[in-house]
Amino acid sequence: GAVVSQHPSRVICKSGTSVKIECRSLDFQATTMFWYRQFPKQSLMLMATSNEGSKATYEQGVEKDKFLINHASLTLSTLTVTSAHPEDSSFYICSAETLEQETQYFGPGTRLLVL
Amino acid sequence: AQTVTQSQPEMSVQEAETVTLSCTYDTSENNYYLFWYKQPPSRQMILVIRQEAYKQQNATENRFSVNFQKAAKSFSLKISDSQLGDTAMYFCAWRIQHAGSARQLTFGSGTQLTVLP
Repeated sequence: GAVVSQHPSRVICKSGTSVKIECRSLDFQATTMFWYRQFPKQSLMLMATSNEGSKATYEQGVEKDKFLINHASLTLSTLTVTSAHPEDSSFYICSAETLEQETQYFGPGTRLLVL
Repeated sequence: AQTVTQSQPEMSVQEAETVTLSCTYDTSENNYYLFWYKQPPSRQMILVIRQEAYKQQNATENRFSVNFQKAAKSFSLKISDSQLGDTAMYFCAWRIQHAGSARQLTFGSGTQLTVLP
């Protein structure tokens, strides 16, 4: 149980385009999903917290208009990187949690490369 | 603010041996959770073990066990009978216990463990 999927696993795009990443909880309903960014050999950096049906809460320094987060259902959250630039290239990871479990389960991550 | 410190950036262990990874944290909260996650080369974050602060008994999961010292704010991970598949980055994480509401994790900087054949 507690499986989280992410799609796509890797994406290459041109500078200026938008990229959407999906995060799904496959066998449980996630009241909250989290989005992280990770640079090589570093820890995870929380970008935003997303609750189903409400606006995401962004961490300081994360541009809301740049990284659009939608949490439309209890099993799906999406992260859209708008007008991507090479500096947005990174590894993006989502996680999901239920109120009962109080434990985050992570997706496999998405490697984004912006050319 | 809560902080989690992993003072060992890299460690290595021979296959079948035992290794202990250190983690200390700082918090003024009394009720919280502590976690160890592993991130192998695939970069998938995998939950290794979870400890509730109100429990005195140390959590165990097969070859993985923790030494939780609440007063000392220490939470080390012991891996027994190390296997090649244990090679990964290990992250210690803290989360407040707050029924009815999800909370953020505070991560340490990680320890890269290499199991040598």
